[in-house]
Parts: sequence; structure tokens; C-alpha cells
Amino acid sequence: GDSVTQMEGPVTLSEEAFLTINCTYTATGYPSLFWYVQYPGEGLQLLLKATKADDKGSNKGFEATYRKETTSFHLEKGSVQVSDSAVYFCALSERGNNRLAFGKGNQVVVIP
Amino acid sequence: DAGITQSPRHKVTETGTPVTLRCHQTENHRYMYWYRQDPGHGLRLIHYSYGVKDTDKGEVSDGYSVSRSKTEDFLLTLESATSSQTSVYFCAISIQSRGSSYNEQFFGPGTRLTVL
Repeated sequence: GDSVTQMEGPVTLSEEAFLTINCTYTATGYPSLFWYVQYPGEGLQLLLKATKADDKGSNKGFEATYRKETTSFHLEKGSVQVSDSAVYFCALSERGNNRLAFGKGNQVVVIP
Repeated sequence: DAGITQSPRHKVTETGTPVTLRCHQTENHRYMYWYRQDPGHGLRLIHYSYGVKDTDKGEVSDGYSVSRSKTEDFLLTLESATSSQTSVYFCAISIQSRGSSYNEQFFGPGTRLTVL
């Protein structure tokens, strides 16, 4: 079945550092890919999305490119802020399927 | 904001008691979902609904039941709560963007349930 794998463990970095969170997926068809963010005490919010190969999703300085050849959708931000501290989830949805498959999430802590 | 509310927001209960969580939406979306969030597991789908009285199981449905008697409400019931059901529960709705082939999910604020 469809699945999403995120890199293990929390990520701690200093303000203005470069952030990368890896995400790879397994899918039987041609999925749409998403990154969701969860701030402390809140529900998940859609951060960005990409629906076909080589698409780049972007929002709030974050970017991720849909790489079909490597089945990846890594999240990057060039200069993080303390306010980016949150949990980030990678997810996929097969075309025509109304269900999402989530990765386990990565806690990101940005230190001033 | 997709107009999703969850109630209660926090609940503490004892093992063996029944518990019902409510998800309410104001925009008549067809698809609704219940997830649980646990450390190390991310979000896991419990049940979902694709219309009034139309529901299906997700990946962790054992010990849970759902009902959807009207479009705006999706209820999750733990018939006899166990400590393993201590978790944060999120409701979501699905919206298909015009002209696209994918659905975007919007989440409620969550219910923190503790089973003692």
C-alpha cells in the first residue's frame, strides 16, 4: 500500500540556519504530495503541495519539489526563524482517492 | 478556516466507560475523517465518511465506531475506553479544489483524551 517515510528524530537548529526534512514515498499510482505543519496545541495546516512530477510547492519561504525518479518530496527553507518551530508531516494522496497517508512527522526546534 | 469544531477539547475518563467525540462542520462537505495522533506514529486514520450514513474503516478502527446521521456532524465513539486509546484525536474534512484532481484536507483543533 501507499506509505510515506520521514527521516527519524527531531531537528534542532539555530535561527537563520538552513532546514531540510527528507520525505520519500511509496505509491502504486501517481500521487499528489503535501507538507502539513502543526504548531504547538493546534491542528494540522497545509503548508504546501505538488500534484505532478517536477512541480515545486512553496509557501512562507518553504519549498519542496516533486521528484518522481527518486520518489521524494524533501522540504527546505533557507533561513529558519524561531516561529518555524513546529511538527512537519509529509503526506500523499493517490489520484481520485480521498484518503491521506502521513509520515510520522518531524519535530523542528529553532533556537534563537 | 473550513469551519470545523471539535468537542470536547479535553476529556479525562476511566477505563471501561463509553466516550463520544463530536466533529462539526458548517460548510456541507461530503468527506469527513477521524484520526488519532500518537508520538512516533504520526496521524493514523480511524474511520472516515463519504456521506450521510456512509462510513468506512481506516487503519486503526478496532475499538472505535462512528456515526453520521447528518452532513454536518461526524461522531466518534469509544464503546469501552482503554488506556491505549489515550491520544489526541483530530477530525478533518476534504475539499476538492476546482479543476484539480486532488483533495485537500482541513483539520479541526483536536481533542485530547486521557483514559485512566
